[in-house]
Amino acid sequence: ETGVTQSPTHLIKTRGQQVTLRCSSQSGHNTVSWYQQALGQGPQFIFQYYREEENGRGNFPPRFSGLQFPNYSSELNVNALELDDSALYLCASSLGPGTGVRNEQFFGPGTRLTVL
Amino acid sequence: AQKITQTQPGMFVQEKEAVTLDCTYDTSDQSYGLFWYKQPSSGEMIFLIYQGSYDEQNATEGRYSLNFQKARKSANLVISASQLGDSAMYFCAMVLSSGSARQLTFGSGTQLTVLP
Repeated sequence: ETGVTQSPTHLIKTRGQQVTLRCSSQSGHNTVSWYQQALGQGPQFIFQYYREEENGRGNFPPRFSGLQFPNYSSELNVNALELDDSALYLCASSLGPGTGVRNEQFFGPGTRLTVL
Repeated sequence: AQKITQTQPGMFVQEKEAVTLDCTYDTSDQSYGLFWYKQPSSGEMIFLIYQGSYDEQNATEGRYSLNFQKARKSANLVISASQLGDSAMYFCAMVLSSGSARQLTFGSGTQLTVLP
């Protein structure tokens, strides 16, 4: 069984640029959630994709967008990068949201984004 | 809206002793799930233990147990027989059954250091 993988592991960008982060979900999982974790804080929910559709979104501006592909892998795109976007971006895969609150999310190792 | 509060930014414990990490939550929902995750310095979130709001018994997973006091809205993590490898950041998180995304809401975390 392959776990959740993310690429790249580290990334350095400058303000105003655009970035794409990638996530491969665990085998058998059709749902991917993205979280942003600023230094010293808990992760914050960005959005979730279920069967290629956005299934929920946190309090993030539209310049944060995503995609999910037929194989359930996912991308997080951030446009017009700001200094405050510097954070660890975590991807988590799970079974469909209809499986109840016990539906465990399995996290990847994260992508550390630095915006200069 | 739901909220998780972890009031201990840092905790120290001697190796082989037990330690309790505090977590209180706030929600008006009756159906919810509570999770504890461990985050080593590598960044990956590791699931430790789960407690459902309707579970009558406290959850246990090996050396981890969850002291669930529903009336007080607390879900403290107890780690018995601490090991050096337990040194990490610990996050309490909640999922509500309402809403489609079942996203995790995290607290701010507790940095646990196990002393030899």
